[in-house]
Amino acid sequence: GNSVTQMEGPVTLSEEAFLTINCTYTATGYPSLFWYVQYPGEGLQLLLKATKADDKGSNKGFEATYRKETTSFHLEKGSVQVSDSAVYFCALSDPTTSGTYKYIFGTGTRLKVLA
Amino acid sequence: SAVISQKPSRDICQRGTSLTIQCQVDSQVTMMFWYRQQPGQSLTLIATANQGSEATYESGFVIDKFPISRPNLTFSTLTVSNMSPEDSSIYLCSVEIPAKRSEQYFGPGTRLTVT
Repeated sequence: GNSVTQMEGPVTLSEEAFLTINCTYTATGYPSLFWYVQYPGEGLQLLLKATKADDKGSNKGFEATYRKETTSFHLEKGSVQVSDSAVYFCALSDPTTSGTYKYIFGTGTRLKVLA
Repeated sequence: SAVISQKPSRDICQRGTSLTIQCQVDSQVTMMFWYRQQPGQSLTLIATANQGSEATYESGFVIDKFPISRPNLTFSTLTVSNMSPEDSSIYLCSVEIPAKRSEQYFGPGTRLTVT
């Protein structure tokens, strides 16, 4: 079945450091891939997405490229800020036989950015 | 996108009681979903609620414990019945909007503590 594997956290970085959070997936079809962010005490917000191989999703300085050959969708940001401290979830969305899209989430990676 | 609200935002309940969580969307949607996020964990899909039909439950979740209503295209409720401390979690609803069927948008969540 489909699955998402995410690097374990917590990740602690200094402000302006480079961020990479690894995400790999297993899927039988051609899923869409997502990164969601959850700030303390809040729900999930869609950060970026990619719907096909070689697509690059980007938002708020974050980016991730859909790599089919390595089944990866790593999240990167060139210079993190304290306000980026949150939990980041990688997810895939695959159509089911009934036509709905089922989401599979990774376990989440907590990022803490120090001033 | 869609704007989703949930009520209550948090609650502390006694074991053996039930709590009904409401989810309201600002536009008509076909598919609504209910997730559970246990402390420090990822999201687990409880059920899919399609307007006009019975909810579809995932393995490990049953209607007697988590009854769901979906009376119209903008509203759903999830009841957590006969609660125990193990039910302490964040409960999130999400929606799939017709124009972007592979994406889901999440509400802010309901933080439930059972004592």
